[in-house]
Amino acid sequence: ELKVEQNPLFLSMQEGKNYTIYCNYSTTSDRLYWYRQDPGKSLESLFVLLSNGAVKQEGRLMASLDTKARLSTLHITAAVHDLSATYFCAGNDRGSTLGRLYFGRGTQLTVWP
Amino acid sequence: DSGVTQTPKHLITATGQRVTLRCSPRSGDLSVYWYQQSLDQGLQFLIQYYNGEERAKGNILERFSAQQFPDLHSELNLSSLELGDSALYFCASSVVSGGVNEQFFGPGTRLTVL
Repeated sequence: ELKVEQNPLFLSMQEGKNYTIYCNYSTTSDRLYWYRQDPGKSLESLFVLLSNGAVKQEGRLMASLDTKARLSTLHITAAVHDLSATYFCAGNDRGSTLGRLYFGRGTQLTVWP
Repeated sequence: DSGVTQTPKHLITATGQRVTLRCSPRSGDLSVYWYQQSLDQGLQFLIQYYNGEERAKGNILERFSAQQFPDLHSELNLSSLELGDSALYFCASSVVSGGVNEQFFGPGTRLTVL
């Protein structure tokens, strides 16, 4: 069973600063997913990382995947208040394209002025 | 809006009762997944259906059951409810495209057991 660990679990940062959220996973995974959740709301898909070395960017967020290190990162550039949310990474079992997702505990990000 | 719908949005009930949560997947998606989100357990996979057939089971209690109907909507039945069943229940749907199984989540049903 895939184990997914995120750190930090809580992140408080000032607007304009940069920071990185780390996601380690225990065994090989086909794909790595990043989701965003606002309080009391649903999960919104942010990125799907398909292969080693994959990098995807959307606005101030950039995600990358290193399958050899079993590590994905979500980098936040020049944070703004609107990025305050909980961010989850998730993976699926290798070879299981229709499979369940295993989620990390989430990183609760608060961006303050 | 992900295109996945769930009803009801909120449900308040008493211990020992039974409830049914409903999910309609995105048009064309054959797979439906149910997840439970609670403060202590995080996001836990419960069960998956694919085109009407059960595909995978996770940490689903025996008191819980689910099914997927011919029109692909799914229902999650929770019975003999306990206080600890209070949680946010999400349904997700997906279709595999280019080898990617991106799951799209519904708005969730918040269950409160008193």
